[in-house]
Amino acid sequence: AQKVTQAQTEISVVEKEDVTLDCVYETRDTTYYLFWYKQPPSGELVFLIRRNSFDEQNEISGRYSWNFQKSTSSFNFTITASQVVDSAVYFCALSERGGRANYGGSQGNLIFGKGTKLSVKP
Amino acid sequence: EAGVAQSPRYKIIEKRQSVAFWCNPISGHATLYWYQQILGQGPKLLIQFQNNGVVDDSQLPKDRFSAERLKGVDSTLKIQPAKLEDSAVYLCASRGQGRALNNSPLHFGNGTRLTVT
Repeated sequence: AQKVTQAQTEISVVEKEDVTLDCVYETRDTTYYLFWYKQPPSGELVFLIRRNSFDEQNEISGRYSWNFQKSTSSFNFTITASQVVDSAVYFCALSERGGRANYGGSQGNLIFGKGTKLSVKP
Repeated sequence: EAGVAQSPRYKIIEKRQSVAFWCNPISGHATLYWYQQILGQGPKLLIQFQNNGVVDDSQLPKDRFSAERLKGVDSTLKIQPAKLEDSAVYLCASRGQGRALNNSPLHFGNGTRLTVT
């Protein structure tokens, strides 16, 4: 069964510190997709990044970077030089390929971890 | 591009009452999802629509929850009767059609925060 584990419930750092959010996933699919979302206090889930199972290249986008390691089923997220505006709950998610009917060839439901609440203090 | 619109933003009801939530997805998005997010947890899928057809409702408590998307655009989610454990944020998300839906991101609305007393 598909599962996403975010072991860190809450993390608190001081501004400008680097912080890494851990994500471990389980799936029997050979093709799958991983996502990170940010949920600020306003409640909306904001898409940050996606990665497919065939692409293990790490990615950097500004102060954000992602480390995908298939061997350990991990997809960790690092924020460099954290800022107060980074304070939010961060969710890792796995795209599921199951489902009943086959509209358009895929289902795409996301299975989310429980989230990590990041607090960045000035 | 306008985002996913949801209303109301907040709702407080007593147990055994009924409530309905509304969602207007991003224009042109064929796939629509309703998720339930209980405090301190990640969102969990309730139902998925493709146009006006249900793709997956295996996790929808059908004895009290119902959802429809009659014209393949807007959707409503209803709870009748509500229980205390239904207190949560109800998130609507949509996704456009493309060659590979699995890897395209979902776009979420701000959600409706339901409190059942």
